[in-house]
Amino acid sequence: DSGVTQTPKHLITATGQRVTLRCSPRSGDLSVYWYQQSLDQGLQFLIQYYNGEERAKGNILERFSAQQFPDLHSELNLSSLELGDSALYFCASSVAEGGVGANVLTFGAGSRLTVL
Amino acid sequence: GEDVEQSLFLSVREGDSSVINCTYTDSSSTYLYWYKQEPGAGLQLLTYIFSNMDMKQDQRLTVLLNKKDKHLSLRIADTQTGDSAIYFCAENSGYSTLTFGKGTMLLVSP
Repeated sequence: DSGVTQTPKHLITATGQRVTLRCSPRSGDLSVYWYQQSLDQGLQFLIQYYNGEERAKGNILERFSAQQFPDLHSELNLSSLELGDSALYFCASSVAEGGVGANVLTFGAGSRLTVL
Repeated sequence: GEDVEQSLFLSVREGDSSVINCTYTDSSSTYLYWYKQEPGAGLQLLTYIFSNMDMKQDQRLTVLLNKKDKHLSLRIADTQTGDSAIYFCAENSGYSTLTFGKGTMLLVSP
């Protein structure tokens, strides 16, 4: 158990629907990262939050949004779902915002989204 | 932009050494990382190396870094069947984010 908790583990939904993925970071970690893993694209960085504030943005679609709450848990919202959104979505957390020193990310087990 | 390349597959026999290679493009990367992903699990940090180092050893793992060629390798000595997994190389691109390669699937046969 890495200490990073993601729910749900599996989710099956239809095109056009909206889902929310939830992540609780490891105790003491202030940064949360969201990554999307698919066979063709590999592991793609979506977005990072640090202590409630957005810190970095990657290849996140406009249909996707995220936030980090005061208790530091984070949610990734995916809307108007398409078949191509089927993937494994990982949350990771780290102590620091980034910058100085190695930025060690601890990953959750992922949420597997299937869009039919 | 940043890009991390890895070969997709490596097959070795139990007891042999495995060498997984990676090339990266961001010369400003200060740290480079190796992560391991077992089936049905998230990525787990194996080791990382600071960019001013050439080598780092940690038990059965040896990381070699050639900064001039932007080449990173991970050597696993005495590879075991339990080492079968996908191995990801990553560089820190930008202030805080990591850019990952597509992963190398290591298959260890008895």
